[in-house]
Amino acid sequence: DTEVTQTPKHLVMGMTNKKSLKCEQHMGHRAMYWYKQKAKKPPELMFVYSYEKLSINESVPSRFSPECPNSSLLNLHLHALQPEDSALYLCASSQEKVGSGANVLTFGAGSRLTVL
Amino acid sequence: AQKITQTQPGMFVQEKEAVTLDCTYDTSDQSYGLFWYKQPSSGEMIFLIYQGSYDEQNATEGRYSLNFQKARKSANLVISASQLGDSAMYFCAMRETYNAGNMLTFGGGTRLMVKP
Repeated sequence: DTEVTQTPKHLVMGMTNKKSLKCEQHMGHRAMYWYKQKAKKPPELMFVYSYEKLSINESVPSRFSPECPNSSLLNLHLHALQPEDSALYLCASSQEKVGSGANVLTFGAGSRLTVL
Repeated sequence: AQKITQTQPGMFVQEKEAVTLDCTYDTSDQSYGLFWYKQPSSGEMIFLIYQGSYDEQNATEGRYSLNFQKARKSANLVISASQLGDSAMYFCAMRETYNAGNMLTFGGGTRLMVKP
């Protein structure tokens, strides 16, 4: 079983809907990430949270709104999405030790989003 | 410019044989980390192996080994005794020390197909 849990696994939404993706980890990691992965492409970083504070936003459109309520949870709020936003959204977590050791990112299984 | 290059979009290997997946990288950092992840069709990114730039020995994890040639800036993954369950996408990734947190930059991936 993965140690990073993402819900829902699949989501279909219209362009006017508001929905949220959720991510949870209980490994004591203090860095959490959202990646977007289009079909047959590598994951692309969207956001990084460090100690529950947003540290990196990779110029993501405002229709994606991240939230980190506590050290174990990470949400991605979706509003007024476009069909081209359809993708696999991956959450990951890691220890927060900049530049030292492996500091492996542990990924969840992803939420597959389809925007109609 | 691409930082991580995987030149093999797809590869076949016979079950029980060894296979090498190529990865070259570009960085001016002296301290960096190289990672390999496996992504089955289910979507989850599974960590396989890590190599630090200062590690003198090539990393090994079970059937996985990393052929690290620092001067050539290559970090090829070797899978020994391939199994049918090894069929998946494989991504090479790099973390550079100037990054806040532990952001990974991914290569384009190689799809490995193991033939029975």
